Amino acid sequence: QKEVEQNSGPLSVPEGAIASLNCTYSDRGSQSFFWYRQYSGKSPELIMSIYSNGDKEDGRFTAQLNKASQYVSLLIRDSQPSDSATYLCAVHHSGGGADGLTFGKGTHLIIQP
Amino acid sequence: DVKVTQSSRYLVKRTGEKVFLECVQDMDHENMFWYRQDPGLGLRLIYFSYDVKMKEKGDIPEGYSVSREKKERFSLILESASTNQTSMYLCASRDSNNSPLHFGNGTRLTVT
Repeated sequence: QKEVEQNSGPLSVPEGAIASLNCTYSDRGSQSFFWYRQYSGKSPELIMSIYSNGDKEDGRFTAQLNKASQYVSLLIRDSQPSDSATYLCAVHHSGGGADGLTFGKGTHLIIQP
Repeated sequence: DVKVTQSSRYLVKRTGEKVFLECVQDMDHENMFWYRQDPGLGLRLIYFSYDVKMKEKGDIPEGYSVSREKKERFSLILESASTNQTSMYLCASRDSNNSPLHFGNGTRLTVT
């Protein structure tokens, strides 16, 4: 059973601070990693993709991947109230073929003004 | 930008009805997916398709079927709706196995 684990939260962060979201996965051979943001009642929206070890930055968002430790994280700098949402980690595991995307259950992030 | 369109935002159906959820994508993607999302359970894969007329069961296919007659369209069918199928249904597509999924706006189905 390939698993993706996230702390469900809520994670409360003051406005302007850095929010740090973490995700661990069980399949060492996983290849592709994605972060989605989901507002209440809405569908998931892709915010970051990462495929190799290290950091990937896009605006206020940084994804970090460490395949040896099997974790992927998302940092949100200068957090804004509009960042309040549930963040889903998704992993494409090895040998998964067309279906091989496993989602974590999400971390609920609250940015306090 | 990829556009995945689900035909209905909200649906209310009665127990025993046959329900059709339609999904269309405009990016010529090979792979299409149907998930349901419930509080505390996360996203669960119902069915997926990697080509026209091809379909594969996901984690929770019982009570559902799918149809993919054209590449851009993937339909989810509830043969006889039951109250435990009340959920948010999400369609998604992607162009290759390592690519991210792009989701439609979702259909919130209530079965009474």
